[in-house]
Amino acid sequence: TQLLEQSPQFLSIQEGENLTVYCNSSSVFSSLQWYRQEPGEGPVLLVTVVTGGEVKKLKRLTFQFGDARKDSSLHITAAQPGDTGLYLCAGGGGSQGNLIFGKGTKLSVKP
Amino acid sequence: EAEVAQSPRYKITEKSQAVAFWCDPISGHATLYWYRQILGQGPELLVQFQDESVVDDSQLPKDRFSAERLKGVDSTLKIQPAELGDSAMYLCASSRGRVASPLHFGNGTRLTVT
Repeated sequence: TQLLEQSPQFLSIQEGENLTVYCNSSSVFSSLQWYRQEPGEGPVLLVTVVTGGEVKKLKRLTFQFGDARKDSSLHITAAQPGDTGLYLCAGGGGSQGNLIFGKGTKLSVKP
Repeated sequence: EAEVAQSPRYKITEKSQAVAFWCDPISGHATLYWYRQILGQGPELLVQFQDESVVDDSQLPKDRFSAERLKGVDSTLKIQPAELGDSAMYLCASSRGRVASPLHFGNGTRLTVT
């Protein structure tokens, strides 16, 4: 059974601070996606990484896929209150297009 | 941008009653998923459809849950009878089904079983 472990589970920081969220597995994934979910809404895709060692930047967010395609990280620079939400990583490896989600990191950015 | 539509938005039901949720995916998306999400945790896959066929229902509690996508478009998830532990957010998502295709989620149905 493939599992994705996310850490930390909760993170509360002040506006302007930097943070990193981790997503780890003992399994290899063909792709990894990061989603952000706000209360009462469905998750929204932030990025997809498919190549080991790949780094993608989305404004203040930097995503990295591990060389062995077993882990990923999300780094946010100068966090803002609007970044508050549940960050989910999801690994894809099956031919059916199914995704396995981690339990998420709940981020709170205080003004 | 087209969205995944789900209804109802909220549902309160008593235990042992039947409840049904409806999902209309983005047009042209062959793959449809139903996920269950406990508050503050990640979504757990219940069932995945490719067109009208079930491709993965290994985590669906089949003694009480059923799902169908008769014409390969919209889908219904049913629970009968509902139990207290079924209280959760039920999310529907769709995708083109290719490897690494993003999932597009609806805003879910929040179920409370009393």
